[in-house]
Amino acid sequence: EDQVTQSPEALRLQEGESSSLNCSYTVSGLRGLFWYRQDPGKGPEFLFTLYSAGEEKEKERLKATLTKKESFLHITAPKPEDSATYLCAVQAAAGNKLTFGGGTRVLVKP
Amino acid sequence: GAVVSQHPSRVICKSGTSVKIECRSLDFQATTMFWYRQFPKQSLMLMATSNEGSKATYEQGVEKDKFLINHASLTLSTLTVTSAHPEDSSFYICSANRILGGYTFGSGTRLTVV
Repeated sequence: EDQVTQSPEALRLQEGESSSLNCSYTVSGLRGLFWYRQDPGKGPEFLFTLYSAGEEKEKERLKATLTKKESFLHITAPKPEDSATYLCAVQAAAGNKLTFGGGTRVLVKP
Repeated sequence: GAVVSQHPSRVICKSGTSVKIECRSLDFQATTMFWYRQFPKQSLMLMATSNEGSKATYEQGVEKDKFLINHASLTLSTLTVTSAHPEDSSFYICSANRILGGYTFGSGTRLTVV
């Protein structure tokens, strides 16, 4: 069974204080690992897809990396508007559904 | 591009009534659509997978007679919560799988059963 574990569950940062979120996974053949941002009362908003170990992607203050066992989402010099829940999900090679982790709630204080 | 529209965004219904939630892919054809349920401060739990023109596949523990899913076209899937009860109150989210890959999520529906 595919499993995704995210840590920490919650993260409080000062504006400008960089940090990393972890997503550990076990999957029977990885087709893709996805990062989403979710604001309260909204649906998840797509951030990145990573397909193979060693791959990295960046978007503004966010950078996602992937190894064979985990992915990191690095937030560099965060701003209050980066406050959200960040969700990690994996798609196995067989099948087309996503398995989500529990999410990391990030609060960035000014 | 790749927009999924979900309606309504909020609905309040009386216990025992049925509620229908629509999920439309506006600018692409969705081979598959997914329905999730999310409780406060928890992650998304997959309820069912629907493919156009065929019966939905429900996850273990999800009552298929209570949560009716219809995927009549490549751009529309509906979830009907039948005989709703207060414990069905939750945030329901749909997503659509694009033919070229990737998943786009709707904005969610907050269901409150009173």
